[in-house]
Amino acid sequence: SQQGEEDPQALSIQEGENATMNCSYKTSINNLQWYRQNSGRGLVHLILIRSNEREKHSGRLRVTLDTSKKSSSLLITASRAADTASYFCATDRSYNNNDMRFGAGTRLTVKP
Amino acid sequence: GAGVSQSPRYKVAKRGQDVALRCDPISGHVSLFWYQQALGQGPEFLTYFQNEAQLDKSGLPSDRFFAERPEGSVSTLKIQRTQQEDSAVYLCASSHGQGNQPQHFGDGTRLSIL
Repeated sequence: SQQGEEDPQALSIQEGENATMNCSYKTSINNLQWYRQNSGRGLVHLILIRSNEREKHSGRLRVTLDTSKKSSSLLITASRAADTASYFCATDRSYNNNDMRFGAGTRLTVKP
Repeated sequence: GAGVSQSPRYKVAKRGQDVALRCDPISGHVSLFWYQQALGQGPEFLTYFQNEAQLDKSGLPSDRFFAERPEGSVSTLKIQRTQQEDSAVYLCASSHGQGNQPQHFGDGTRLSIL
């Protein structure tokens, strides 16, 4: 069964706007990761945040983690049409990244 | 460098047939994972190998599903007596297997059961 739940299920914005996606999960975790999937392709790792971290940045991506609320958010700033994809959070209870469970994803559409 | 390679990319089979899906992981990656992804959903864990050992097969939906990785590199997912509900994309991923290293995914095999 899937561990995380993303919110919203679908998001449509204009190029240049920011996109925020949320993820909630149920059990304790070692780390939480965000992945991106273009249509018909495999998943691509974006960013990993450990359970003892609260915020992490990578380029235009900003991830926050609140373990007390069992939730995470992914912010994409200054969105581009090429950011159009599905975004998944994955929680991992292990220390070797071998116990990942994915949510159902947020479908992001960025209009040019 | 080469990524995770899966074959075939598309597979159409009649209900009741057996199918075999192949995954070539990144060279040197110890861990290998199989996931099933239904349309519009996230990947669902099926099974996990560390080298040739299948350490977790708790996600396999039935005994019709079988996975192997006999030499610790290439893996095959076999589905026997396929049923329509087996139609999905089957994703393979590999990782170093130590520490918080990300999983690297192939582009999947889209399986359609008629």
